[in-house]
Amino acid sequence: GQNIDQPTEMTATEGAIVQINCTYQTSGFNGLFWYQQHAGEAPTFLSYNVLDGLEEKGRFSSFLSRSKGYSYLLLKELQMKDSASYLCAVSGGSYIPTFGRGTSLIVHP
Amino acid sequence: KAGVTQTPRYLIKTRGQQVTLSCSPISGHRSVSWYQQTPGQGLQFLFEYFSETQRNKGNFPGRFSGRQFSNSRSEMNVSTLELGDSALYLCASSSEGEGGSPEAFFGQGTRLTVV
Repeated sequence: GQNIDQPTEMTATEGAIVQINCTYQTSGFNGLFWYQQHAGEAPTFLSYNVLDGLEEKGRFSSFLSRSKGYSYLLLKELQMKDSASYLCAVSGGSYIPTFGRGTSLIVHP
Repeated sequence: KAGVTQTPRYLIKTRGQQVTLSCSPISGHRSVSWYQQTPGQGLQFLFEYFSETQRNKGNFPGRFSGRQFSNSRSEMNVSTLELGDSALYLCASSSEGEGGSPEAFFGQGTRLTVV
């Protein structure tokens, strides 16, 4: 089975940096995804990590440590539009990603 | 390239009825997955179809079923609806397993309300 854990809610200030953590326990590992989902909208792909280390993509970066079963999503220079739910998902042996319950990020002025 | 299209966007049904939801994947994608999203449980995997065959299945009762057509369009059916089936049903397509990018692309979802 697979178990994915991430905080339920986080708040941060516009312009700041926030780190959303995700820990997982899976049988088999093919990769870890981060998705962003605004209220009432479809999840959109942010990043995909297969190997250990940091992947940077503009204001967003994602880190993976396979030995620790740990990932984080780092959001820099926060903007109001970054207020959304951030979903961590792990792809196991079947390639079907299992999603965590998501972290609701609230960015305030 | 058109994205993933789900129809209808909203649906209200009565307990005991059945419902069919439709999903058209991104052109060229043969893998279509269905998820149920509720505030309490998050995104839960229902099943995945690839080339008209169910390739993976989640832990949902037999009232939930699906199929995929030769053009990769997929439908899911829920019979004998229960109040707890009220949720956002999301469809995702990908080219995973075909040497393509692994990420899934989601449709806007169908919001099902059972009364």
